[in-house]
Amino acid sequence: RKEVEQDPGPFNVPEGATVAFNCTYSNSASQSFFWYRQDCRKEPKLLMSVYSSGNEDGRFTAQLNRASQYISLLIRDSKLSDSATYLCVVSNNAGNMLTFGGGTRLMVKP
Amino acid sequence: EPEVTQTPSHQVTQMGQEVILRCVPISNHLYFYWYRQILGQKVEFLVSFYNNEISEKSEIFDDQFSVERPDGSNFTLKIRSTKLEDSAMYFCASSETGLNQPQHFGDGTRLSIL
Repeated sequence: RKEVEQDPGPFNVPEGATVAFNCTYSNSASQSFFWYRQDCRKEPKLLMSVYSSGNEDGRFTAQLNRASQYISLLIRDSKLSDSATYLCVVSNNAGNMLTFGGGTRLMVKP
Repeated sequence: EPEVTQTPSHQVTQMGQEVILRCVPISNHLYFYWYRQILGQKVEFLVSFYNNEISEKSEIFDDQFSVERPDGSNFTLKIRSTKLEDSAMYFCASSETGLNQPQHFGDGTRLSIL
């Protein structure tokens, strides 16, 4: 099983749509979880941290299920500027190393 | 907003040569990292650094690689004898205090080995 697994997509959605991405991870001792976005040939940029209680930041909602080792990201009211690759990122048990998924590509069309 | 800065943005080097990639982490951050991303592949961890020593490293970070914090602001990655397969984007990152904090990435150095 891959350490952090994501559907590579692409997800092609119209503006205004709601889209959800999922991710699974293999290390049950992982301590922290994040979603990053990466535009083509650019650096990963932190989108949000993910907590077991679930957290929301504007149009973005993230959820963590530790029992299932599953992380999700929901984007509501998609904008053209949301087009990017979304990276599911998980720390090791010491918290000093991040493991990245391969990313899910989102394309929002007018 | 404070940011991690990296130089150069693009480095072209002959195979077998040494290369040094430079990073200036965010000023109040205490933990520093290097990652790399080969074109079309995922981001891979290389090394983490805290209190002037390596705290974690991956299998990729072999004897050809070293890191240093030569002064109060710079954090460098040295590759001693570059190989063709070292061609990648190298990202520096830093985090504030404690572990499990979000890491903030610089805009990367594209390393091309000829």
